[in-house]
Amino acid sequence: AQSVTQLDSHVSVSEGTPVLLRCNYSSSYSPSLFWYVQHPNKGLQLLLKYTSAATLVKGINGFEAEFKKSETSFHLTKPSAHMSDAAEYFCVVSDPASYQKVTFGIGTKLQVIP
Amino acid sequence: DAGVIQSPRHEVTEMGQEVTLRCKPISGHNSLFWYRQTMMRGLELLIYFNNNVPIDDSGMPEDRFSAKMPNASFSTLKIQPSEPRDSAVYFCASSLSDVNTQYFGPGTRLTVL
Repeated sequence: AQSVTQLDSHVSVSEGTPVLLRCNYSSSYSPSLFWYVQHPNKGLQLLLKYTSAATLVKGINGFEAEFKKSETSFHLTKPSAHMSDAAEYFCVVSDPASYQKVTFGIGTKLQVIP
Repeated sequence: DAGVIQSPRHEVTEMGQEVTLRCKPISGHNSLFWYRQTMMRGLELLIYFNNNVPIDDSGMPEDRFSAKMPNASFSTLKIQPSEPRDSAVYFCASSLSDVNTQYFGPGTRLTVL
C-alpha cells in the first residue's frame, strides 16, 4: 500500500521569499515520487520527479525537491517565489508494485503576496 | 507533440442524460488514466488501461460509469445516466509504462444540472 500526505493545505509567502511545500510518503517499495502543479482552470503539469537516481531533483521554474528516505519526505522548495508560482501543488507517489497506479496528495495551494 | 487531447473542454447537461468524454493520448504512450477532480475529494483515479486493456477500475464510482479504449489512440469515459453529483473536472493522462511519468490533458469540466 502507498500513501502521501501533504502537510499544509494552504501556504502563503511573500514574493521573493523562499517556498517550502511539505510532503511525506509511505510505500512498501522504493517509490517514484513526483510534484505536479495546477494553475487555476488548467491541467496538471509535471514539475519534477524522483526515480531512485540523485536524491536532489531539479525541476522546471526553479523548483527542486529532495528525497529523504530516513524521513520519508519529498519536500518541494524554491529559493525565491514569483507571482506566477501561485497555484496548487500535488505530491504524488507511485509504487512499482501497484503497476503504475499513483496516489495523489490532497494538494497545497500556494499564495504569493506582492 | 500535441500532448494529451481531451474533448469537450466544457460540458453542461441535464440530469439523466448520457455524457461521453473523449481522450486522445500522446502518440506512443501505452498507458492511459482517467481521473476525476472535485473540491470535496480532490483527484481520484477512476480507471487505467495498459495496452488498451483495463487494468484497474476499482475507482469507478458506480455502474453508471464505463470506460473503453478501442485502440491505442482513443478512449472514452461514459456516464449514463448522469447525476448532479457527477459534476467535476475529468482528466485524462497517458504515459509510457516503463517510464512511469503521467502527462495530463487539459481536462473536461462537466456540469450536470
